[in-house]
Amino acid sequence: QSALTQPPSASGSPGQSVTISCTGTTSDVGAYNYVSWYQQHPGKAPKLILYEVIKRPSGVPDRFSGSKSGSTASLTVSGLQAADEAHYYCGSYAGSNNFVFGTGTKVTVL
Amino acid sequence: EVQLVETGGALIQPGGSLRLSCAASGFTVSDNYVSWVRQAPGKGLEWVSIFYSRSSDSFYADSVKGRFTLSRDNSKNTLSLQMNSLRAEDTAVYWCVRRHNTSWAHQWWGQGTLVTVSS
Repeated sequence: QSALTQPPSASGSPGQSVTISCTGTTSDVGAYNYVSWYQQHPGKAPKLILYEVIKRPSGVPDRFSGSKSGSTASLTVSGLQAADEAHYYCGSYAGSNNFVFGTGTKVTVL
Repeated sequence: EVQLVETGGALIQPGGSLRLSCAASGFTVSDNYVSWVRQAPGKGLEWVSIFYSRSSDSFYADSVKGRFTLSRDNSKNTLSLQMNSLRAEDTAVYWCVRRHNTSWAHQWWGQGTLVTVSS
């Protein structure tokens, strides 16, 4: 199972928006709405910020939003804040009780 | 409060074996889905395995299939990952993660334990 493809980096100024893509195949992202997104700060465990493409766990601000079209999912972070500077990983159910993560994107707040 | 605590990480020689444990509190391992996820130094996340509570089935990534085995100890509310035939590429921080009960979303993460495979 190959990792989902994400851009290595993305950036934006405080208050702006940044969108990260996550490209899979018709066997994972394109086949299921079990796309999730994770935020990871250096030295920390990842944190779930979106699941089932658009759902936010309790406590995650609505500045984080998701979408999906075909085999590509996207995460948008609006109103960028310094605390949003982190690595972001997408993930998707890939069938047959398997799960695959994306390659990760480093978001820099300029 | 859901908590997961991983233990057992160590420096181990290639070809060796190691057992990681995940002690859960705030929920019952036997009633939930628990995965292991790893991250090699400076690299991305990799899903390793999942334990299905109801059926006691386990599923593994191709990269560890046949070498890693999950087991559960209900009396200790613990999930263990037995890792055999370890390779340098198994070097990583390993997290125990409770999955959302109705969705493939890895919601509650432990603090992780470091496994280093090196001679």
